[in-house]
Amino acid sequence: GENVEQHPSTLSVQEGDSAVIKCTYSDSASNYFPWYKQELGKRPQLIIDIRSNVGEKKDQRIAVTLNKTAKHFSLHITETQPEDSAVYFCAATTSGGFKTIFGAGTRLFVKA
Amino acid sequence: DAGVIQSPRHEVTEMGQEVTLRCKPISGHNSLFWYRQTMMRGLELLIYFNNNVPIDDSGMPEDRFSAKMPNASFSTLKIQPSEPRDSAVYFCASSPLQGTGELFFGEGSRLTVL
Repeated sequence: GENVEQHPSTLSVQEGDSAVIKCTYSDSASNYFPWYKQELGKRPQLIIDIRSNVGEKKDQRIAVTLNKTAKHFSLHITETQPEDSAVYFCAATTSGGFKTIFGAGTRLFVKA
Repeated sequence: DAGVIQSPRHEVTEMGQEVTLRCKPISGHNSLFWYRQTMMRGLELLIYFNNNVPIDDSGMPEDRFSAKMPNASFSTLKIQPSEPRDSAVYFCASSPLQGTGELFFGEGSRLTVL
């Protein structure tokens, strides 16, 4: 089955700096790669996603890149702000878009 | 729409007791997922349904866990008997079958088994 590895597990940056979180997946049939943000005590919520036919996608301060050949995808947050502090999960979706497997999560701390 | 609704939000029970968690997906969503979240294991997919039919339950830990979806607007996850290691936050999520693949999560049910 699909396996998603995520690094780093913890990331601490200074406000205004960039943060990068990297993931790898195992199943070449995966074709949808969402990123979820989970604040303390809250539910995971989608912040950005990318499909396998696209190499890069950007939404304001957030961007995702996908390398299908290497089975790598990454989340980039620029100009980080304290409110970006949360746990971020990458995920890969297979089986016609039904089965979503999550990475272990990255706890991001943005220091003011 | 009210979003995915889960109940109870918090449950504290004693080892050996039966626990039933409930979920109402977003109206019109055809896929429903149960995830378990712990610090050690992260977000684990337990089971998912398409059009009320269980498609993959390979993530269900053991026979003590069972899930049902009797209709499009209701699902249950049952643990019987419960054990302390079942303590976790259980999330229900739904997704439209022909949608982007985005999961819409409920607020979760925090289970503590003493």
